[in-house]
Amino acid sequence: EAGVVQSPRYKIIEKKQPVAFWCNPISGHNTLYWYLQNLGQGPELLIRYENEEAVDDSQLPKDRFSAERLKGVDSTLKIQPAELGDSAVYLCASSSGTLNTGELFFGEGSRLTVL
Amino acid sequence: GEDVEQSLFLSVREGDSSVINCTYTDSSSTYLYWYKQEPGAGLQLLTYIFSNMDMKQDQRLTVLLNKKDKHLSLRIADTQTGDSAIYFCAELGNTGKLIFGQGTTLQVKP
Repeated sequence: EAGVVQSPRYKIIEKKQPVAFWCNPISGHNTLYWYLQNLGQGPELLIRYENEEAVDDSQLPKDRFSAERLKGVDSTLKIQPAELGDSAVYLCASSSGTLNTGELFFGEGSRLTVL
Repeated sequence: GEDVEQSLFLSVREGDSSVINCTYTDSSSTYLYWYKQEPGAGLQLLTYIFSNMDMKQDQRLTVLLNKKDKHLSLRIADTQTGDSAIYFCAELGNTGKLIFGQGTTLQVKP
């Protein structure tokens, strides 16, 4: 069974440019998460989807970040315009919706460098 | 608020036991977790413990929970070089989302 797939793995852009990351969760997983991981830190939740509905986006900087999960499967996270401080790894994760066991399945992440 | 703290680095010799510690603040946490992250990879769930348990053992892994002190530990017996990674403690907070610590880098020397 395929895991969580993210692309691109690496992205280098200049500040003020837009960037988009794509995530394909594990088949059948209704819950999808986008996490931000700064260097030397643990992941921090940006947004959580239940199917196509964003149920927790309280930590998403809405002035420059946006996300969508059309049809409740794949998701895209966009930053426009990017700032130097956005350099980080953006992790996508999915789960079957029962968070009791805490098993989130993570993708390998998209590493963003903003110059 | 919810917060999870870990020591940043641990170095052990191959074959020794490793103990990684974590403290958390949310006394209402129902589950606590240990995730492992290898270089360039996403996080992988190692084990979890329900808050009404004191200990859980899974092969070389032993999780100890002291709910009174809000202290969680992960013991890895017979540590191998393949165990070198970053280990994240996480709690399921009362907001219903996972709160991760900053990670402990485990270095295993041959």
